[in-house]
Amino acid sequence: QKEVEQNSGPLSVPEGAIASLNCTYSDRVSQSFFWYRQYSGKSPELIMSIYSNGDKEDGRFTAQLNKASQYVSLLIRDSQPSDSATYLCAVNKGNTGFQKLVFGTGTRLLVSP
Amino acid sequence: DAGVTQSPTHLIKTRGQQVTLRCSPISGHKSVSWYQQVLGQGPQFIFQYYEKEERGRGNFPDRFSARQFPNYSSELNVNALLLGDSALYLCASSPSGRINEQFFGPGTRLTVL
Repeated sequence: QKEVEQNSGPLSVPEGAIASLNCTYSDRVSQSFFWYRQYSGKSPELIMSIYSNGDKEDGRFTAQLNKASQYVSLLIRDSQPSDSATYLCAVNKGNTGFQKLVFGTGTRLLVSP
Repeated sequence: DAGVTQSPTHLIKTRGQQVTLRCSPISGHKSVSWYQQVLGQGPQFIFQYYEKEERGRGNFPDRFSARQFPNYSSELNVNALLLGDSALYLCASSPSGRINEQFFGPGTRLTVL
């Protein structure tokens, strides 16, 4: 079982729709979760972080965390063609000595005009 | 404020050669982590350095080494390059050893021929 799993997609949505991206993780002790957006040929850009169960909203983005189900999701409202990118889910894993991000393979999102 | 910077942007090497990649973290950040991203995959953790000490190492061979300088900049060295080392090498900085929020540089694209 992979530590962080995402559907590779592509997920295709029309402009203005809600895009829903999902991620599951295997380590129950994980406490911090992140969503990064990566445009083709570019580096990952942090768009959301979430640490507590429930929803966290930032503009058109909402991150949802359910630790009991080991599930993290990202909702993008009013999707725009500029949102077309790969979305990487990352989980903070480590101990008091060091910490690292473990990434999923990413979900490719395509928003059509 | 300047973000994370990396040099060079692109690099082409042949098998067996050695390469050094450089990274400067965001001003005030004391932790640098290195990741390797192969095409179609999420970034894979290589090293974390905090306060000039190695805090963690991922599942990479001893051909990979790194160090952090007093100004918190960092170098990643890879010896005896293999074709499989071709990847985007990402440097990320965070304020402390805890990776609550980690910001990536633009990356160095390494091609091994």
